[in-house]
Amino acid sequence: QVQLQVSGPGLVKPSETLSLTCTVSGGSVTAYYWNWIRQSPGKGLEWIGYIYYGGGTDYNPSLRSRASISIDTSKNQFSLKLSSVTAADTAVYSCARALSFGERWFDPWGQGTLVTVSS
Amino acid sequence: DFVMTQSPDSLAVSLGERATINCKSSQSVLYSSNNKNYLAWYQQKPGQPPKLLLYWASTRQSGVPDRFSGSGSGTDFTLTISGLQAADVAVYYCQQHYKTPYTFGQGTKLEIK
Repeated sequence: QVQLQVSGPGLVKPSETLSLTCTVSGGSVTAYYWNWIRQSPGKGLEWIGYIYYGGGTDYNPSLRSRASISIDTSKNQFSLKLSSVTAADTAVYSCARALSFGERWFDPWGQGTLVTVSS
Repeated sequence: DFVMTQSPDSLAVSLGERATINCKSSQSVLYSSNNKNYLAWYQQKPGQPPKLLLYWASTRQSGVPDRFSGSGSGTDFTLTISGLQAADVAVYYCQQHYKTPYTFGQGTKLEIK
């Protein structure tokens, strides 16, 4: 049974870069599509982007200029970097798997982590 | 972007009764080449990530009780929960998986009357 676990700082200063890692257990990142999704009271659920095990990526246009997703197959992890953060980026950040290009629902999800942007 | 609008924002239903949640997409999520609707439903309980209930609008994820059913096509969809149980108290979301950026409805909060 695949499980995902998010790790990273819970507090980031404005204008700095948010960095999170999702560790996959019970399965390999060398298959499927690996996604980042965030949830905030103001914006609800927002898809950030995905990385395909082959290295291909796609991002929400609203975040494309600031977001970067990478994958480390040796550690069975994938990561999110979001640059130039502001208070509007305060949210619970989760990672999730999608099966394929044509099966892009999210299952399972990792337990999200709250990231607060504040000085 | 596809805008997903759910209704109502909240509802209260008696135990054992039926709950109905609607989801409307600003564009059709029906893919004509395979006649599948690219629409998923999730359940989220406090402190937990969303849990996948249905995909292709009406296909239940493994392990999901058959009390949960989905219907609709094109732009209008419904999640029906029959025989409501206390464990069904949660927020429910729809999501289009037709095209990026994947988008979600704003959520419907289901409570017990």
